[in-house]
Amino acid sequence: DIQMTQSPSSLSASVGDRVTFTCQASQGISRSLNWYQKRPGKAPKLLIYDASNLATGVPSRFSGSGSGTHFTFTISSLQPEDFAAYYCQQSDNLPLTFGGGTKVDIK
Amino acid sequence: QMQLVQSGAEVKRTGSSVKVSCETSGDPFTYRYLHWVRQAPGRTLEWMGWITPFTDNTNYAQKFQDRVTITWDRSVSTAYLVLNSLKSADTAMYYCARGRRGSFHYWGQGTLVTVSS
Repeated sequence: DIQMTQSPSSLSASVGDRVTFTCQASQGISRSLNWYQKRPGKAPKLLIYDASNLATGVPSRFSGSGSGTHFTFTISSLQPEDFAAYYCQQSDNLPLTFGGGTKVDIK
Repeated sequence: QMQLVQSGAEVKRTGSSVKVSCETSGDPFTYRYLHWVRQAPGRTLEWMGWITPFTDNTNYAQKFQDRVTITWDRSVSTAYLVLNSLKSADTAMYYCARGRRGSFHYWGQGTLVTVSS
């Protein structure tokens, strides 16, 4: 199975901050990497697919980049509704696997 | 817009089985895979398997291979997840999601399954 490692596991930030975190795959996965937002009590929401494509209806402050084994997710200006957990997920090989998540909370 | 509505919470005994349903509506052609994903308390998301409603093909994560069955009833556009031989470690929120082979674009609201002895 492909292991996905996210860092950091948590971070504190303020509204308006630019935040960036990473996801590393245990082997090359080309650009087969998706990002999800998970708020408490809510279903996950797809934000980015295929490393850098914005999902339907997702604000442009969210972006993703990377290929191979190293990927980056950025929120350009943190909004109150963005305080949540974020998960990367590889779609290159079965079984589909997720990273451990990065939790963004209020500083 | 695709919508997925799941069945309600379940409380089960260790060793029993659970069946969770997921009724879908909306365009079935763009997102041809119906996945099941779970999240146990304090843990990350975990993919369990998929079914392709047009062909009834299934694929399961090896971890669940001998305990899980995913089916599709086309008459009511509903997918079902059956998990057998339940353990306390199966206590989790179970989600269905419609998407492509490797991505989950639309999600159900989740079904909490609690397993106790």
